[in-house]
Amino acid sequence: QVQLQESGSGLVKPSETLSLRCTVSGGSVSSSSYYWGWIRQPPGKGLEWIGNINYSGNTYYNSSLKNRVTISVDTSKNQFSLMLRSVTAADVGIYYCARYNILTGPIDYWGRGTPVTVSS
Amino acid sequence: EIVMTQSPATLSVSPGEAVTLSCRASQSVSTTLAWYQQRPGQAPRLLIYGASTRATGIPDRFSGSGSGTEFTLTVSSLQSEDFALYYCQQYKDWPQGTFGQGTQLEIK
Repeated sequence: QVQLQESGSGLVKPSETLSLRCTVSGGSVSSSSYYWGWIRQPPGKGLEWIGNINYSGNTYYNSSLKNRVTISVDTSKNQFSLMLRSVTAADVGIYYCARYNILTGPIDYWGRGTPVTVSS
Repeated sequence: EIVMTQSPATLSVSPGEAVTLSCRASQSVSTTLAWYQQRPGQAPRLLIYGASTRATGIPDRFSGSGSGTEFTLTVSSLQSEDFALYYCQQYKDWPQGTFGQGTQLEIK
């Protein structure tokens, strides 16, 4: 059974960098059949795509966040990571990691999500 | 950006009844449409992809239909575990994709 688990800093100071990791079990981030991504949900709002990465490190980012976001993959730890720089109150929300199935298209597995607060 | 609109925001239904949730795209997405279920405190779960294909392990009381800009998710006989939040997502512009705001299915 594939499982994804988010971890990282849940409280970030304004203007600093949010750093989250997603640990994958029951599957490999090195597989060419999947992309790995991050999605977030601000309080009371809908789901927003942040970006994706594949096994070879090719990345795709939401244009509204592109200048602040970096997604990377660590095949040795079977993890992928999110860094979001210069955070503000607008970055508060639940952050989910997810697996995108190249063959069928949609997200076939999600993490449970981790809350992020921005406060000094 | 393709905007997805779900209706209604909340639906109150009795167990055992059938229910239909709607999702509309601002432009045609063909059948690149998925539905997800999210129970409180749990990760979202893929129910339907390709507008009408059930994901692995999904009961056949869940069915999806539609193409282009209009889509529906029908649950034929609601079980207690089906009362949850439901999202649609278009993935025509994969791997991006945009989500609807969600429909909360609650017990009447």
